[in-house]
Amino acid sequence: EAGVAQSPRYKIIEKRQSVAFWCNPISGHATLYWYQQILGQGPKLLIQFQNNGVVDDSQLPKDRFSAERLKGVDSTLKIQPAKLEDSAVYLCASSTTTVSYEQYFGPGTRLTVT
Amino acid sequence: AQSVTQLDSHVSVSEGTPVLLRCNYSSSYSPSLFWYVQHPNKGLQLLLKYTSAATLVKGINGFEAEFKKSETSFHLTKPSAHMSDAAEYFCVVIFTGGGNKLTFGTGTQLKVEL
Repeated sequence: EAGVAQSPRYKIIEKRQSVAFWCNPISGHATLYWYQQILGQGPKLLIQFQNNGVVDDSQLPKDRFSAERLKGVDSTLKIQPAKLEDSAVYLCASSTTTVSYEQYFGPGTRLTVT
Repeated sequence: AQSVTQLDSHVSVSEGTPVLLRCNYSSSYSPSLFWYVQHPNKGLQLLLKYTSAATLVKGINGFEAEFKKSETSFHLTKPSAHMSDAAEYFCVVIFTGGGNKLTFGTGTQLKVEL
């Protein structure tokens, strides 16, 4: 079974630039999550999708972050414009609807904002 | 307020000796508790889970954890460490009333020495 795929693995940008991350979840997983993991901290949920609808985006900085999951499969997370404090690893995870505590994580995208 | 605390940011053990990674939570109700492991350059993986069944929970790779309500703790243990156990470990909680939202601790980096 293929795991959660993410790209790119690494990205370096200057502040005020924009960046986009892509995630392809495990086939058949209806729920998709984006997390932000700042160095030295645990992952923090940014947004949760159920199929192509948003379930929870309470911690998404909506003035600069956006995410979509068209067709209920893969998803993109965008930051525009980026700030220095956005430097982090962005993790994508997916789960089935019935066992949502068992989330399968991708390898993450390490973003450095200079 | 509901919270999860990992008491040690770094733990170092010798191969073959016991492992103890500590986790405490704060909640008015019994939450669901999990341990996730993150190996370098790999995605987070569910190690074990407590969801109000037996208080001693066994996970993968010989790890286990005991839920102690009186101490509000969920410490992770392993009788004998192996070099391959070196990774970062996260105590994770689903709080009552939080939907299925995972709240991660700050992580414990486990180092295993020869």
